[in-house]
Formats: sequence, structure tokens, C-alpha cells
Amino acid sequence: GDSVTQMEGPVTLSEEAFLTINCTYTATGYPSLFWYVQYPGEGLQLLLKATKADDKGSNKGFEATYRKETTSFHLEKGSVQVSDSAVYFCALRGGAGGTSYGKLTFGQGTILTVHP
Amino acid sequence: DTGVSQDPRHKITKRGQNVTFRCDPISEHNRLYWYRQTLGQGPEFLTYFQNEAQLEKSRLLSDRFSAERPKGSFSTLEIQRTEQGDSAMYLCASRNGQGKTYEQYFGPGTRLTVT
Repeated sequence: GDSVTQMEGPVTLSEEAFLTINCTYTATGYPSLFWYVQYPGEGLQLLLKATKADDKGSNKGFEATYRKETTSFHLEKGSVQVSDSAVYFCALRGGAGGTSYGKLTFGQGTILTVHP
Repeated sequence: DTGVSQDPRHKITKRGQNVTFRCDPISEHNRLYWYRQTLGQGPEFLTYFQNEAQLEKSRLLSDRFSAERPKGSFSTLEIQRTEQGDSAMYLCASRNGQGKTYEQYFGPGTRLTVT
């Protein structure tokens, strides 16, 4: 079945450092890929998405590129801020013909802590 | 949009008791999802409704779990004879089935603790 694997965490960075959180996936069909963020005490929020190969999703300085050849969707940000401290989840939604059509399959999450 | 709401936000119950959670999706959203999130893990899919029809259920949804969406608006998730392993955050999400945005909007969750 479909699965998502995120890099082990937690990740601790200083403010203005470069961030990469790795995400790889296994899916049949043509999935859509997402990054969700969960700030302390809040619900899951969509951060960015990409619906086809080579698409780049971007939002709030974060970027991720849908790489079908490496089945990856790594999250990057050039300069993190203290306010970026949160849990980040990579997720996929199976495309038509896949096994998880409609629902989201999540990775285990990566805790990011940014220090001043 | 007022967002997805869930009630209660927290529930503590004793093992063996029944519990019921409610989810109110965004009003024009015809698709509704339930997920379960345990500590340190990502959410796992439980079940999916399109309008009032329950179209998909995960193998995680044992016979003790039942979900309904009787009028295609709010949904309830009931757990009978709760077990300590049921302790988790139960998340509801909804989306608009029109168009191709695919974005699911999540509620704040109901945290269940079974003692």
C-alpha cells in the first residue's frame, strides 16, 4: 500500500539556518503530495502542495519539489525563524487508479525547534 | 468559513465505557474524513464519507468503532467498550468535492484518554 517516510527527528536549528526535511513516498498511480504543519496547541494546516511531477509547491518561504524519479518531496527553507518551530508532516493523496484514492497517508512527522 | 469544529476537545473515560465524538465540517464541504493520531506519529486514516454515504473504512476501524453522517452534514464517531489502546487524538477533516484543490481542512481534534 501507499506509504510516506520522513527523516528522523527532532531537528534543532539556529535562527536563519537552512532547513531540509526529507520525505520519500511509495504509491501506485499518480499521487498528489503535501506538507502539513502543526504549531503547538493548534490543528493541522496545509503548508504547501504539488499535484504532478516537477511541480514546486511554495508558501511562507518554504518550498518542495515533486520528484517522481526519486519519489521524493523534500521540504526546504533558506532561513528559518523561531516562529517556524512546529511539527511538519509529509503526506500523499493517491491519484486515480491508486490504492488510497481520496484519503491522506502521512509520514510520522518531524519536530523542528528553532533557537534565537 | 468558520472552519471544522470538533466536540468535545478532550474526553477522559474509563475502560469499557462508550464514547461519541462529533465533527461539524465546513458547511459546503461534502467530503468528510476521520483520522487517528497517536503520540509521535502522523495521522492514520479511519473512514471517509461523501455526503451521507460511508465509502471507505480502514482496517484500523474495528467492530467497536462506528461512524455516521446521517444528513450529509455533521458526523459522529462512536467507540464502544473503549480500551486503553484507543487513547489518541481523533481528527476530522473536510473538503469540497468540486474542483481539484484536494485540500483537506482539519479540525482541532478530540483527545481521548482511556484510563
